[in-house]
Amino acid sequence: AQSVTQLGSHVSVSEGALVLLRCNYSSSVPPYLFWYVQYPNQGLQLLLKYTTGATLVKGINGFEAEFKKSETSFHLTKPSAHMSDAAEYFCAVILPYTGRRALTFGSGTRLQVQP
Amino acid sequence: DTGVSQDPRHKITKRGQNVTFRCDPISEHNRLYWYRQTLGQGPEFLTYFQNEAQLEKSRLLSDRFSAERPKGSFSTLEIQRTEQGDSAMYLCASSPSPANYGYTFGSGTRLTVV
Repeated sequence: AQSVTQLGSHVSVSEGALVLLRCNYSSSVPPYLFWYVQYPNQGLQLLLKYTTGATLVKGINGFEAEFKKSETSFHLTKPSAHMSDAAEYFCAVILPYTGRRALTFGSGTRLQVQP
Repeated sequence: DTGVSQDPRHKITKRGQNVTFRCDPISEHNRLYWYRQTLGQGPEFLTYFQNEAQLEKSRLLSDRFSAERPKGSFSTLEIQRTEQGDSAMYLCASSPSPANYGYTFGSGTRLTVV
């Protein structure tokens, strides 16, 4: 079985501050991991993904995430928050080579950016 | 190609009515997924197609729900005898094979059952 847990349903930061959104996964095999962003009344947009190889992955809009197998984590970071980063962020997991094709999403973290 | 298109964007229906949503995936993507998202929650998987074959269905997909992808291109999701609990955002996504590239989502159809 696969699952993701996002710690903190709401995170508030000041503009220019570090953004850290937490994601922990549970899986029986090495997973593929994704972060998506959702703006109000929109679909989800892929920010970045980890499949194999380098454990630090860079995505769009200055975001990056590091796969840490020992901690079963895939936290999302951005050095300096912008007002435009305010949105809902979802971590997702899929287990390759298991026959499952569907992503499993966490419950999301709403990021608020204060001026 | 302009991405994944969903129609309509919004649907308000009375309880007990049938509704149908359409999804047009990215043309070269052979995999198509339907998800449901309620307020404050992450998307929940409903069903998955590879080409025209429906290969996986969630337990969330009750008998009142049916999905088709007749020619391996667009897909429809029908809900019969709608209930207030069906109110949600219905998201469609597509991906190439293999799916490690991630999904491309449409903007969703927001269903409100009154």
